[in-house]
Amino acid sequence: DIQMTQSPSTLSASVGDRVTITCRASQSISSWLAWYQQKPGKAPKVLIYKASSLESGVPSRFSGSGSGTEFTLTISSLQPDDFATYYCQQYNSYLLTFGGGTKVEIK
Amino acid sequence: QVQLQESGPGLVKPSETLSLTCTVSGGSISNYYWSWIRQSAGKGLEWFGRIHASGSTSYNPSLRSRVTMSVDTSKNQFSLKLSSVTAADTAVYYCAKAVGSGDYFDYWGQGTLVTVSS
Repeated sequence: DIQMTQSPSTLSASVGDRVTITCRASQSISSWLAWYQQKPGKAPKVLIYKASSLESGVPSRFSGSGSGTEFTLTISSLQPDDFATYYCQQYNSYLLTFGGGTKVEIK
Repeated sequence: QVQLQESGPGLVKPSETLSLTCTVSGGSISNYYWSWIRQSAGKGLEWFGRIHASGSTSYNPSLRSRVTMSVDTSKNQFSLKLSSVTAADTAVYYCAKAVGSGDYFDYWGQGTLVTVSS
């Protein structure tokens, strides 16, 4: 299995802050990585695919970068609607795996 | 706009079989891959496997011995069966539509909580 490790597990930030979340893969996954946002009681929503491609309808303040084993999700200016938990997911292997999540809290 | 809706019992007894169905509306189930994913406090998001509308499947090896997925294109539905459940199978179960050959997920159901308890 390809293990996905996210850091930090919790992040406290204020509206307007630039936020960066890191996801590391246990082996190279090229650019086959997606990022999701999940709010309490809701299903995850895809934000980014292929490491840096923005899903249709997702605000441009979200961006993704990286390749190989290290990836980042950046929110350029945190908005009130962005307080949520974020997950990465690799699809380099037929066995899909997710990171453990990063909760973005209000500071 | 594709919509997915999980249905099935919210309570299953230990050692029994968990059965869930996902009904797809707003689009055809054909030509796509579909998956089941669960979320529990202890194990985060866990992918069960994928099924194509043709019926071909690919399962998570850690669950393969207990999982069966099937598809009914006439009803625009696909299903999950998980046998010999224990308390560790208590989770929110999601069905989801995959992009490409089952890569990532662009549409999800709302999720259904399944509790395993006697």
